[in-house]
Amino acid sequence: SQTIHQWPATLVQPVGSPLSLECTVEGTSNPNLYWYRQAAGRGLQLLFYSVGIGQISSEVPQNLSASRPQDRQFILSSKKLLLSDSGFYLCACLRDGNTIYFGEGSWLTVV
Amino acid sequence: GESVGLHLPTLSVQEGDNSIINCAYSNSASDYFIWYKQESGKGPQFIIDIRSNMDKRQGQRVTVLLNKTVKHLSLQIAATQPGDSAVYFCAEMDTGRRALTFGSGTRLQVQP
Repeated sequence: SQTIHQWPATLVQPVGSPLSLECTVEGTSNPNLYWYRQAAGRGLQLLFYSVGIGQISSEVPQNLSASRPQDRQFILSSKKLLLSDSGFYLCACLRDGNTIYFGEGSWLTVV
Repeated sequence: GESVGLHLPTLSVQEGDNSIINCAYSNSASDYFIWYKQESGKGPQFIIDIRSNMDKRQGQRVTVLLNKTVKHLSLQIAATQPGDSAVYFCAEMDTGRRALTFGSGTRLQVQP
């Protein structure tokens, strides 16, 4: 079976501080990995996806960046957080050909 | 650009009744669709999927219907239970990018 680990689960950060959210995947090799963001009461917006180590595609211009240093590790970062970066961040993995499965998410509140 | 949207933001049903959640999509080139269930504070959970070469697919208590003519997708839940209360999202697969485009979600409330 496959497991998606995300941490931290909850984070409160001041404006202007850096961010690092980590995601690791078990039970698969060379997966497609994704970062989504969900604002309160809204749908999911695709931020980044990666088809392999060092390969990152950005979907929307923003204050965030992503990196994939290892096959099953995906990191979401920011050098200086904005209030608008607050939200629920979800890591996801492509499995079974087309199905995308999600981790449990990381709540970020920028104050 | 492509978009996936939902007709009803909130659906309230009685326990034991059947629920129908609807979704419209705009990209006629999409060939794969998924329904997700999201409970409060948790990540979306895969429910059921369907490919564009199918009109109907059934799972345990759930059925997904796809009407490609009008680009409409629906999720039917039989004998709705309190544990079914959640937000339901439809998503469209972009086969070129292998990434999902999500609708805004429908909240299902099951009344005891």
